[in-house]
Amino acid sequence: AAGVIQSPRHLIKEKRETATLKCYPIPRHDTVYWYQQGPGQDPQFLISFYEKMQSDKGSIPDRFSAQQFSDYHSELNMSSLELGDSALYFCASSLGRREQYFGPGTRLTVT
Amino acid sequence: AQTVTQSQPEMSVQEAETVTLSCTYDTSESDYYLFWYKQPPSRQMILVIRQEAYKQQNATENRFSVNFQKAAKSFSLKISDSQLGDAAMYFCAYRSAGSGGGADGLTFGKGTHLIIQP
Repeated sequence: AAGVIQSPRHLIKEKRETATLKCYPIPRHDTVYWYQQGPGQDPQFLISFYEKMQSDKGSIPDRFSAQQFSDYHSELNMSSLELGDSALYFCASSLGRREQYFGPGTRLTVT
Repeated sequence: AQTVTQSQPEMSVQEAETVTLSCTYDTSESDYYLFWYKQPPSRQMILVIRQEAYKQQNATENRFSVNFQKAAKSFSLKISDSQLGDAAMYFCAYRSAGSGGGADGLTFGKGTHLIIQP
């Protein structure tokens, strides 16, 4: 079965740079979620989109923004990167309010 | 705000035995969903089992079952016939049922590291 696709899988950036993470949900899923998991931490919810509209917002920094496009893929844009932004970023998708299925994650390292 | 607590940072079990992972949560909502996710060393988050709060019957998925006690706000995971491949971090998660088309994010516990002894 098709799964959530995230790209890139690994990304290395320097402080103050910008980064864009992409997420392609499972076909026919209309909802996308973004999570951040720091080293040794549990995943923290950042933001979600339902039918291309922002639906729920968690602990997303103002330096981050996201959107969902007409083909339902989503992008997380991160600016003015800080060392503390180094983490594993997960995208998950669902059909409406059903269970969320996670992608493999993008490992972001900020140096 | 909802909180999820996993009081066991680490658990160890012999292969083929049964182990129970604990989870408690705090919420003022009456309708919600509870999940267990598994995160092996690959870091992939894998859905193990799901429970709707309005259902009294405990969910079961093969060797995995839950003990859902709504009044006590408890949601434990039982793994029977433990296998080496079960070794992972296990996260308990809560999600509001909400209303309309809103898509609420998951609130996770801190996780329990499960070790399987051969």
